[in-house]
Amino acid sequence: QKEVEQDPGPLSVPEGAIVSLNCTYSNSAFQYFMWYRQYSRKGPELLMYTYSSGNKEDGRFTAQVDKSSKYISLFIRDSQPSDSATYLCAMSRTGANSKLTFGKGITLSVRP
Amino acid sequence: ETGVTQSPTHLIKTRGQQVTLRCSSQSGHNTVSWYQQALGQGPQFIFQYYREEENGRGNFPPRFSGLQFPNYSSELNVNALELDDSALYLCASSRDHPEQFFGPGTRLTVL
Repeated sequence: QKEVEQDPGPLSVPEGAIVSLNCTYSNSAFQYFMWYRQYSRKGPELLMYTYSSGNKEDGRFTAQVDKSSKYISLFIRDSQPSDSATYLCAMSRTGANSKLTFGKGITLSVRP
Repeated sequence: ETGVTQSPTHLIKTRGQQVTLRCSSQSGHNTVSWYQQALGQGPQFIFQYYREEENGRGNFPPRFSGLQFPNYSSELNVNALELDDSALYLCASSRDHPEQFFGPGTRLTVL
């Protein structure tokens, strides 16, 4: 079993839809949770960062962490064609300078 | 503020050759991590350098090695290239914080 599992894709939605992206993990030592967006042939771009359980909102994006279920989610409201990309969840155990463990990524396509 | 930069953008090598990839960290960042991303997969941690010392290593053989310089830039060296080494190599920088910021990557093709 991989440490981080991400819902398989690809995912295609119409413009304006609410998108839910999810990851589960097995290592209870993970404390920091991140979502990255990666456009084709580019490096990952940090979208959201959350420590421990709870919610965090940034514009159209909301990140949720449920450590009791070892489950994290990223919600995208009012999705736009420019949101079309691969989304990667990532986690780390300790704080500063800890390695990131990534999910496989899910490719999202938002249709105009 | 200058972001993370990597060079070259892409390169092609043949099996058995050696390659050096370079990374300049974001201004003010003292830690550089290297990741390998195969096609259709998430990035896999190779190793990390903090203040010029290796600070953790993933499940990669010793032919993957690195350096960090006093200005916190870094190099990734891969000896005896194999076909499976073909991937996007990503460098990420950070400073005493969990968030890591990635460069655009170097796409390596091994023939």
